[in-house]
Amino acid sequence: EAEVAQSPRYKITEKSQAVAFWCDPISGHATLYWYRQILGQGPELLVQFQDESVVDDSQLPKDRFSAERLKGVDSTLKIQPAELGDSAMYLCASSPSGARADTQYFGPGTRLTVL
Amino acid sequence: DQQVKQNSPSLSVQEGRISILNCDYTNSMFDYFLWYKKYPAEGPTFLISISSIKDKNEDGRFTVFLNKSAKHLSLHIVPSQPGDSAVYFCAASGGSWGKLQFGAGTQVVVTP
Repeated sequence: EAEVAQSPRYKITEKSQAVAFWCDPISGHATLYWYRQILGQGPELLVQFQDESVVDDSQLPKDRFSAERLKGVDSTLKIQPAELGDSAMYLCASSPSGARADTQYFGPGTRLTVL
Repeated sequence: DQQVKQNSPSLSVQEGRISILNCDYTNSMFDYFLWYKKYPAEGPTFLISISSIKDKNEDGRFTVFLNKSAKHLSLHIVPSQPGDSAVYFCAASGGSWGKLQFGAGTQVVVTP
């Protein structure tokens, strides 16, 4: 069964350092999402891609976060510099183009701890 | 502001009994609602959904009820099984293709 891949699974960094997360969506899925889930809260959408284009980044803290999906396949989310409040689970999801909300398939996530 | 709220962070239920999870929302533009299930070290997986044109949707042991006037939905699991122990997230969107807003989740523990 096809799955969304994410790496690393765990990342510990010190504040002010740069971190990057990688996501490989299910093959053929044109839509890719990055979510942040803070402990005790639900996932919050950070950015949504349609192929290589950003369609929603309204909740992305653009002063320190960046996301790219250069060839419309895999994607990288970067934080620079990391802050203590960035400690969270970062989830990637993908779905076929134009699909319903219930067809988002989530990866296992990257758990980030900022010290 | 939190537009989707799950006010019970945890629920413990005996195997074979009914689990009832509740969710409230504030945005009247939401018209599509979903429940996701999440095991530790895994991403959320879709469980069941309901459109606002319905008040009930059933899939096996899982039933979702929607009360639009109260802006409230609930998930019933009957009978509960040990494998149902997980975190359950309620989510809502404006339209089937809209951006998802998630609740904070309810941790369900099913005891033998």
